[in-house]
Amino acid sequence: GAVVSQHPSRVICKSGTSVKIECRSLDFQATTMFWYRQFPKQSLMLMATSNEGSKATYEQGVEKDKFLINHASLTLSTLTVTSAHPEDSSFYICSAHGTSGGYNEQFFGPGTRLTVL
Amino acid sequence: QKEVEQDPGPLSVPEGAIVSLNCTYSNSAFQYFMWYRQYSRKGPELLMYTYSSGNKEDGRFTAQVDKSSKYISLFIRDSQPSDSATYLCATNSGGYQKVTFGTGTKLQVIP
Repeated sequence: GAVVSQHPSRVICKSGTSVKIECRSLDFQATTMFWYRQFPKQSLMLMATSNEGSKATYEQGVEKDKFLINHASLTLSTLTVTSAHPEDSSFYICSAHGTSGGYNEQFFGPGTRLTVL
Repeated sequence: QKEVEQDPGPLSVPEGAIVSLNCTYSNSAFQYFMWYRQYSRKGPELLMYTYSSGNKEDGRFTAQVDKSSKYISLFIRDSQPSDSATYLCATNSGGYQKVTFGTGTKLQVIP
């Protein structure tokens, strides 16, 4: 199946710093990518939908100025957590929309674990 | 009310048992139904998807959808310790629409 990578896989930062997470579709082009956040023992919560060449669409309650999303190419979307605080510590997962066997499937990246001290 | 309800478990079964995982959903617009498996500290991987009501089988896994009652199930036959993971049901209205996930059921298969 299609492969989606994320970088870094793990990051620890100090409170107040900004962190950038990259999501790449390695062997297919993705016009749409999604960013999720998953707290321990909870499900994935959609943060935003990222469309190549246009502004991201954020879910209700997600601060667009805090979570900056850039989808500059058909294979790369980035999520920047600005002025990170301990409550932003979470598992961030991206997915990219592609087609497999005629079905529009979301292929998930391996996730990035962010810890803010 | 959450759009997708799923019992979080945990569910513990002996090796070889048949596992039944279930979800209910509330939005009639949902047309595609998926089951994802997520190992600890990893991203979810798609196990099965289905569009219509009825059963879909893939090896030891069977996905079942009943649109009339808005009920979806995943059955795992001859469960193995390697099946131990969190299983998330998910659904969307199709195409490039966003996916809504259940909370996930943590499964442990004991050797």
